Amino acid sequence: KNEVEQSPQNLTAQEGEFITINCSYSVGISALHWLQQHPGGGIVSLFMLSSGKKKHGRLIATINIQEKHSSLHITASHPRDSAVYICAVRMNNDMRFGAGTRLTVKP
Amino acid sequence: NADVMQNPRHLVRRRGQEARLRCSPMKGHSHVYWYRQLPEEGLKFMVYLQKENIIDESGMPKERFSAEFPKEGPSILRIQQVVRGDSAAYFCASSLRLDDGYTFGSGTRLTVV
Repeated sequence: KNEVEQSPQNLTAQEGEFITINCSYSVGISALHWLQQHPGGGIVSLFMLSSGKKKHGRLIATINIQEKHSSLHITASHPRDSAVYICAVRMNNDMRFGAGTRLTVKP
Repeated sequence: NADVMQNPRHLVRRRGQEARLRCSPMKGHSHVYWYRQLPEEGLKFMVYLQKENIIDESGMPKERFSAEFPKEGPSILRIQQVVRGDSAAYFCASSLRLDDGYTFGSGTRLTVV
């Protein structure tokens, strides 16, 4: 079993829909990151969380440390949100990555 | 992400050659991390460096791979005698402090032919 599990693996949505991507982890962590990787491969760091909730524009990330679970929400999704979203957990010097969720938003 | 500069963006090497991948962190960042993304696989940690020091290289293959982050100049990931299995995207990230968020570079895509 991977230390970081994401669901779903693939997600197709219509423009405007509310999106939720989930991440569960099985190890003790110091922080959790949500990353976005576009076709063409560049990686953008969206959030770093160690507790609670963060919001940036249409993106919201939450984390529940006790349940070892985080969610990334996208409100009013848009085709330009289409990307792979990756959950990563920080353990000391190391970072462990989920396999990613491939999101496609159709117009 | 123009702030963490990786070059080259694409690198083609023949089997047995050496590959040198460069990463210039964001200005003021002294923590550098290297990750590898094999085709159809997730990102994997390779090495964590601070200026002139390797802090953690637990994710780096024991042979042929080395990394440095000299006092002056970019961090270098060096792969000697490349093999086809080294073909991957190599990403670098930097942070100001260990507990800060990371900024990623655009990656170097290495193809071994």
